[in-house]
Amino acid sequence: GIQVEQSPPDLILQEGANSTLRCNFSDSVNNLQWFHQNPWGQLINLFYIPSGTKQNGRLSATTVATERYSLLYISSSQTTDSGVYFCAVARGAGSYQLTFGKGTKLSVIP
Amino acid sequence: EAQVTQNPRYLITVTGKKLTVTCSQNMNHEYMSWYRQDPGLGLRQIYYSMNVEVTDKGDVPEGYKVSRKEKRNFPLILESPSPNQTSLYFCASRSPSGELFFGEGSRLTVL
Repeated sequence: GIQVEQSPPDLILQEGANSTLRCNFSDSVNNLQWFHQNPWGQLINLFYIPSGTKQNGRLSATTVATERYSLLYISSSQTTDSGVYFCAVARGAGSYQLTFGKGTKLSVIP
Repeated sequence: EAQVTQNPRYLITVTGKKLTVTCSQNMNHEYMSWYRQDPGLGLRQIYYSMNVEVTDKGDVPEGYKVSRKEKRNFPLILESPSPNQTSLYFCASRSPSGELFFGEGSRLTVL
């Protein structure tokens, strides 16, 4: 099956700093999503981005499908950004099963 | 507001006592699924349903049952829970474009 690798596995930031999280995948995909799992365990949709670039406030994401990677940018980080960020992908027409990466654990300290 | 609602959010039970975790979505999505999340193992799919009365096994279906009698509801049933089913459970529904929406999670402890 498709492999999804996220880096770095852990990241500690000072509040206000910027960061880039990476997601590499082993095959072509037609579905890619970024999720944030907050410290209370809730999984929150950030971006549905099988290709291209999207921005939502301080967060933005870029997927380069031909090179099989996606990047999540967090600018001016806040303590509420802490948690685990997951990338999930699916391939093939009508593909229903997402494959999740192991996540990047982000800790933003005041 | 578009959402996926699961209940209960927290549950402590004992081995062998049947329980049901309910899941409901208000987005008219055809596809719904259940995942469990365990430390070191990530998110694993238990069952999924592509439409009413159509369900199929995911990666870890043993010990679980599901039903899909209506489009909006997709309950997860543990007929005889065991301690290895202690986990964080998520229900999800998927839009026609492929975007997955998760419920808030149900933390289950089986003693």
